[in-house]
Amino acid sequence: KAGVTQTPRYLIKTRGQQVTLSCSPISGHRSVSWYQQTPGQGLQFLFEYFSETQRNKGNFPGRFSGRQFSNSRSEMNVSTLELGDSALYLCASSLAPYGERTEAFFGQGTRLTVV
Amino acid sequence: DAKTTQPNSMESNEEEPVHLPCNHSTISGTDYIHWYRQLPSQGPEYVIHGLTSNVNNRMASLAIAEDRKSSTLILHRATLRDAAVYYCILRANSGYALNFGKGTSLLVTP
Repeated sequence: KAGVTQTPRYLIKTRGQQVTLSCSPISGHRSVSWYQQTPGQGLQFLFEYFSETQRNKGNFPGRFSGRQFSNSRSEMNVSTLELGDSALYLCASSLAPYGERTEAFFGQGTRLTVV
Repeated sequence: DAKTTQPNSMESNEEEPVHLPCNHSTISGTDYIHWYRQLPSQGPEYVIHGLTSNVNNRMASLAIAEDRKSSTLILHRATLRDAAVYYCILRANSGYALNFGKGTSLLVTP
């Protein structure tokens, strides 16, 4: 069974630009979450989607947005990039966001560098 | 969110058992105890989770105290590949975000 796939793996963008990151969850998983990892702040939750609905959002500005498609694939978008947005962006998929089977499986991440 | 407390770092010799502790005194009755680890330059990896009873899988064992205020992740024979940051996380039955905290950095020496 294929794991969580994130594309692209690496990205370099200029301040002020916008970026879209993609995540394909494990087949059959309907919940997708996004996290940002930086050396200073560690792993921080961005948002979670289930059945194309955002269920939960972390404490990030509105420049960070996401969506989930009917096939459970998800994208996140960051507009008006700032230098501080440079980070590893991780996607995780779960069977569902509730119940006993909520273990999350992470992708390798997308390394975003803003210059 | 209920919080967890873990030691910042631990060290173990290769091929010896490792017991990684986690305190979660404010755990609620519906919180699952999840453990993840993150190897260098990789995304976090699910290790194990449980609610009340001890759990075993091919990677590790999870021992949960009777009052559920603490738990211990047990790696039965540490290998160099087990060197990672280990996170103990409480996850409500209804989901919500994984609050990773700082975790325990495990060093395994030959």
